[in-house]
Amino acid sequence: QVTLKESGPVLVKPTETLTLTCTVSGFSLSNARMGVSWIRQPPGKALEWLAHIFSNDEKSYSTSLKSRLTISKDTSKSQVVLTMTNMDPVDTATYYCARIRSSWYYYYFDYWGQGTLVTVSS
Amino acid sequence: DIQMTQSPSSLSASVGDRVTITCRASQSISSYLNWYQQKPGKAPKLLIYAASSLQSGVPSRFSGSGSGTDFTLTISSLQPEDFATYYCQQSYSTLIFGPGTKVDIK
Repeated sequence: QVTLKESGPVLVKPTETLTLTCTVSGFSLSNARMGVSWIRQPPGKALEWLAHIFSNDEKSYSTSLKSRLTISKDTSKSQVVLTMTNMDPVDTATYYCARIRSSWYYYYFDYWGQGTLVTVSS
Repeated sequence: DIQMTQSPSSLSASVGDRVTITCRASQSISSYLNWYQQKPGKAPKLLIYAASSLQSGVPSRFSGSGSGTDFTLTISSLQPEDFATYYCQQSYSTLIFGPGTKVDIK
C-alpha cells in the first residue's frame, strides 16, 4: 500500500525558511520512473506544482519559485525534503507531497499525501 | 510557461446528467494532459492520464479525450460522489494545473 505523509511546522513567520518532509511507504525512492513532487494549494484556490525529484536525483522546480526552493531526498529514510526560503503570507497554503510517475515521458501524480496546512503570519 | 484554462469554471448538474469539462492549453501539448478530482478538504485523486488513459480503480463513467490544445473530461452519468472540483494538468513542460471546474448539485 502506497502512502505519503507530510510533516513540518503549521506556522512560520514572514522571512523565515519553511522545511517540509514527506515520508513515503509502499515504494522506494530508488524505484525507476518514480519520484516525489510537492504541490501547494492556497485556501480556496487552485493547485500549484512546486518541485519534484526522481530516483536518479533529477530535480525540477517551478519557474516562478525556483530561486526559493530546494528539494532533496534521503532514500534510506524514505524521505523527501522541501525547503522554501523567505516565506510570505501569500505562501499560506496546504502543501501536498505526491508520487510522480513517468511512463513514456508522460508524468502524472498517482498517489497523494493528506496535505499539511502552513500559515505564514507574524 | 504553458498556460491552462478550463471551462466552465463551475457548473450545476443533476444525478444522471452527462457532464463535459473542457481544458485548453496555450500551445500544443500533444496528449500530455491529466485530470484530477478533488473533494473539499481532501487531496486530489488522479482520474485520467495521457489525455485518455483511465487510472486503475476509477469508474468507467469517466473518460478523457483530446490532443494538441483542446481536451475534455466527460462523466457519462453523474453520481452523487462525483460532486467535486476537477483540475487538468499538463506535463508537456513545466508542470501546470488548470484553474479548476467546480461541479455542484443543481
